[in-house]
Amino acid sequence: DIQMTQSPSSVSASVGDRVTITCRASQGISSWLAWYQQRPGQVPNLLIYAASNLQSGVPSRFSGSGSGTDFTLTISGLQPEDSATYYCQQAKGFPITFGRGTRLEIK
Amino acid sequence: EVQLVESGGGLVQPGGSLRLSCAASGFIFNNYWMSWVRQAPGKGLEWVANIQQGGGEKYYVDSVKGRFTITRDNAKNSVYLQMDGLRAEDTAVYYCARVTVGTDYFDYWGQGTLVTVSS
Repeated sequence: DIQMTQSPSSVSASVGDRVTITCRASQGISSWLAWYQQRPGQVPNLLIYAASNLQSGVPSRFSGSGSGTDFTLTISGLQPEDSATYYCQQAKGFPITFGRGTRLEIK
Repeated sequence: EVQLVESGGGLVQPGGSLRLSCAASGFIFNNYWMSWVRQAPGKGLEWVANIQQGGGEKYYVDSVKGRFTITRDNAKNSVYLQMDGLRAEDTAVYYCARVTVGTDYFDYWGQGTLVTVSS
């Protein structure tokens, strides 16, 4: 199985800051990676797919990069509504696996 | 508007069974793979199963193989998860999700249904 390791597990930042979350795959997954946002009490929401493609309707302050084993999600110009847990997910093969999540707190 | 509505969750004793349902609307159901993803209380996301458009191809996470069965009824625009031999560790919110075309990302999610396995 492909293990997905996210870091940090939690981060705190202020409105307007830039935050970067990383995700590392235990083996190469090319660009078969997605990022999801899950606000408290809500369902997950697809932000980025294929490592760097912005899902329709997602604000442009979200961006993704990487390929192979190392990936990043960057949020530029943090907004209060960005307070959430962020998950990466590999789609290279079954079983599909998620990272353990990164909790983002807005100060 | 794409909608996915799960039902069938509840409290069940260890070893018991439940059948979850997910009713889909707002898109051409038989054009898409469908999936179940679960989330234990306070924990992260865990993929459970995927089913192909026609129902002939299915995949499961190892921890549920032999106990859970994913099926679909394209005439009813519905996907199901039959869960047998339930264990305490199966306690979670179960989400139905639509799989993106040609890939295995999840672009729409239902609100989820809670399954609690406890005596």
